[in-house]
Amino acid sequence: GAVVSQHPSRVICKSGTSVKIECRSLDFQATTMFWYRQFPKKSLMLMATSNEGSKATYEQGVEKDKFLINHASLTLSTLTVTSAHPEDSSFYICSARDRLAPQETQYFGPGTRLLVL
Amino acid sequence: AQTVTQSQPEMSVQEAETVTLSCTYDTSESDYYLFWYKQPPSRQMILVIRQEAYKQQNATENRFSVNFQKAAKSFSLKISDSQLGDAAMYFCAYRSPRAGANSKLTFGKGITLSVRP
Repeated sequence: GAVVSQHPSRVICKSGTSVKIECRSLDFQATTMFWYRQFPKKSLMLMATSNEGSKATYEQGVEKDKFLINHASLTLSTLTVTSAHPEDSSFYICSARDRLAPQETQYFGPGTRLLVL
Repeated sequence: AQTVTQSQPEMSVQEAETVTLSCTYDTSESDYYLFWYKQPPSRQMILVIRQEAYKQQNATENRFSVNFQKAAKSFSLKISDSQLGDAAMYFCAYRSPRAGANSKLTFGKGITLSVRP
């Protein structure tokens, strides 16, 4: 089956620094990737939808200057949390949809746990 | 806008028994997709089962089956012969076919299933 990887799996950083999270589709090309945020025991909250070669579409209430998304290729999207603060600590999950089967299932990465001290 | 409701926050089942997780949704569309995702303690989202609204036949995947009632907008998941590995958080999700590859998943709040040995 289709595999989506995320790197790093967990990161601890100091307040004020920036953190980059990578999302890769390993065995398929993803025209569209999605970034979610999840708090413990809660549902996934969609942050933004990214398309290869174009600007991401952010959900209402998500600061685009805070959460920079770059979808530079059909297999890689990155989420950069700029000037991170403790309230940005969370679990971040990406998912991707196969370019050749856009109506088909989204495949999820294993998530990245971010802790901002 | 579509909404997905999972009204039970927690359920428990005895190993080898059957359990049903409920999900209702609200939409004005006639064609759509419904999903159940499993999120075990590892937090990797795993697709359990998928149903296309135009198909009257209920989807099944081994021990997992759904009861799809389109008129009632109900999409429950039945887990037969429950196993310890089924313990996880389960999310019901809806997706519209509109917007093509950019169409988003709308998740319910999730239900935590525990399996008693």
